[in-house]
Amino acid sequence: KQEVTQIPAALSVPEGENLVLNCSFTDSAIYNLQWFRQDPGKGLTSLLLIQSSQREQTSGRLNASLDKSSGRSTLYIAASQPGDSATYLCAVRPLWGNDMRFGAGTRLTVKP
Amino acid sequence: DTGVSQDPRHKITKRGQNVTFRCDPISEHNRLYWYRQTLGQGPEFLTYFQNEAQLEKSRLLSDRFSAERPKGSFSTLEIQRTEQGDSAMYLCASSLRPTTSGTRTGELFFGEGSRLTVL
Repeated sequence: KQEVTQIPAALSVPEGENLVLNCSFTDSAIYNLQWFRQDPGKGLTSLLLIQSSQREQTSGRLNASLDKSSGRSTLYIAASQPGDSATYLCAVRPLWGNDMRFGAGTRLTVKP
Repeated sequence: DTGVSQDPRHKITKRGQNVTFRCDPISEHNRLYWYRQTLGQGPEFLTYFQNEAQLEKSRLLSDRFSAERPKGSFSTLEIQRTEQGDSAMYLCASSLRPTTSGTRTGELFFGEGSRLTVL
């Protein structure tokens, strides 16, 4: 059974700092990995999707990497802003099947 | 198209009552998913549809839960005889069916969720 872990559970940084969020998964047989952002009481907003054949994806200040063999993905946020404060979740789609497995998320606070 | 929409956004009910949630996916998406999320946890998969066919159900989906997608467009999730443990955020997501060539990734797009509180 696929297990997805996100460390740390919470992170607080001053504005302007670059930061890395971590996601690890136990089964490397994945189709893709997706990073989401969730604001309190809201749904999930898709940030980046990495196919299993890809190593990284970039969107603006965000860069996500994938190392399938070691079961790890990172989300790099450059020049953090208070508006980046949210919970960030990663999810993996298995190679066979359609139940995406989510981590519990990292709650990020960016202080002005 | 404005994305995935869910209704109602909030529902408070008494234990034992039935509740129904509705999800309208992105119009061209043929896959629709239901997830449940409790405080401090990631979403947990409940079930998914491809067009009108319900293709997979989680063990979490007890016999008090039923989901439909009658014409392959909107979907409903009904919970009968609600229990306090059913209190959660119910999230709907939609996607296109992913292809083996990778031309369609199956990227999930979520709605704002329906928060259920069972008293």
